[in-house]
Amino acid sequence: DTAVSQTPKYLVTQMGNDKSIKCEQNLGHDTMYWYKQDSKKFLKIMFSYNNKELIINETVPNRFSPKSPDKAHLNLHINSLELGDSAVYFCASSQTFEQFFGPGTRLTVL
Amino acid sequence: AQSVTQPDIHITVSEGASLELRCNYSYGATPYLFWYVQSPGQGLQLLLKYFSGDTLVQGIKGFEAEFKRSQSSFNLRKPSVHWSDAAEYFCAVGGRSGGYNKLIFGAGTRLAVHP
Repeated sequence: DTAVSQTPKYLVTQMGNDKSIKCEQNLGHDTMYWYKQDSKKFLKIMFSYNNKELIINETVPNRFSPKSPDKAHLNLHINSLELGDSAVYFCASSQTFEQFFGPGTRLTVL
Repeated sequence: AQSVTQPDIHITVSEGASLELRCNYSYGATPYLFWYVQSPGQGLQLLLKYFSGDTLVQGIKGFEAEFKRSQSSFNLRKPSVHWSDAAEYFCAVGGRSGGYNKLIFGAGTRLAVHP
């Protein structure tokens, strides 16, 4: 059983398109996160939800909109994709400080 | 503000050699400290964590780390490296933001292993 899963694993798209990434966790955790990992492997937190409520919103362009339909799911929708959005996006969940990560979604914007 | 510094961007060791990856943190209270490993094309996997108690913690895959409060360090060690240990290693400290938990990650150390 996969604890934190993401779909799709790879996403290749053109500039200007809109795309979504989905995340699901079956650990019963209350908190979920989205991270962006750039080409230098630096991990930057983007958003965090606790029981469907947005609690962390770092400086992220408003083209990025997270949605949490329930506490087991956290989706990320990106409008008007730009070249600089190319990265690996990780979902994670936690109940305390320890976070459990999904396998990542590699987004390539052409 | 909380921060994590991993001074070494790249480290190369020979298979069978010992390994130490450095991590320094800045945090006002007793920190919660973590080491994660990211194998190529994979997500992050927890190697070990320190919350309190014994300052030498054991993790998976034969790794250990020692918390030294006086040096604000949490260095990761392994006595004998295997080729499969080649990966990116991240140190992290648990902090609070707006009353909620968050992890602050270091920039990572890339480990290469020579046969």
